[in-house]
Amino acid sequence: GEDVEQSLFLSVREGDSSVINCTYTDSSSTYLYWYKQEPGAGLQLLTYIFSNMDMKQDQRLTVLLNKKDKHLSLRIADTQTGDSAIYFCAEKSAGRRALTFGSGTRLQVQP
Amino acid sequence: DAGVIQSPRHEVTEMGQEVTLRCKPISGHDYLFWYRQTMMRGLELLIYFNNNVPIDDSGMPEDRFSAKMPNASFSTLKIQPSEPRDSAVYFCASSARGGGNQPQHFGDGTRLSIL
Repeated sequence: GEDVEQSLFLSVREGDSSVINCTYTDSSSTYLYWYKQEPGAGLQLLTYIFSNMDMKQDQRLTVLLNKKDKHLSLRIADTQTGDSAIYFCAEKSAGRRALTFGSGTRLQVQP
Repeated sequence: DAGVIQSPRHEVTEMGQEVTLRCKPISGHDYLFWYRQTMMRGLELLIYFNNNVPIDDSGMPEDRFSAKMPNASFSTLKIQPSEPRDSAVYFCASSARGGGNQPQHFGDGTRLSIL
């Protein structure tokens, strides 16, 4: 079945850029998403990218997609302490409504 | 605009008891999803509905779990009888009709503890 993998942990200093990586296996993925989860809260949609795009920028967030390598990344510029959270990568396959989520990457921002 | 609303936020009960989790999707959304989140298994899709009809329930763990959507603005997930291994955070999400450019929006979840 489909699989989405992420590294478990990333630590950066405030003001630096953060890059969170994700790999997936499904070649029929049509959309890929990044969600943010803060403690005790649900998943907040940050951004998403259609599979025929290779980059999307939204303020401090930049998503890069390498479809050939099935690799997705989320870059957060000028990382702030409020960005500390768990970030989930998710993919949607053609013909399926459900998403497949990665295990999440915990981002710790040190002041 | 109100998001997905789940209740209760927290539930602590003894094993063997019936548990009912509730969800109100975003108005106008045609799809409703129930997920379970645990440390061991991450986020798992349990079931999802389209226009109040269950489409895929292959993620429902066993017969103790059931979900209903009697109308477009309300869904329940029931566990009867509950067991300690059911302890998890249960999320409800909804999305509008359309393709992947209609992403899923999540509620804040119900944290369930079965003693």
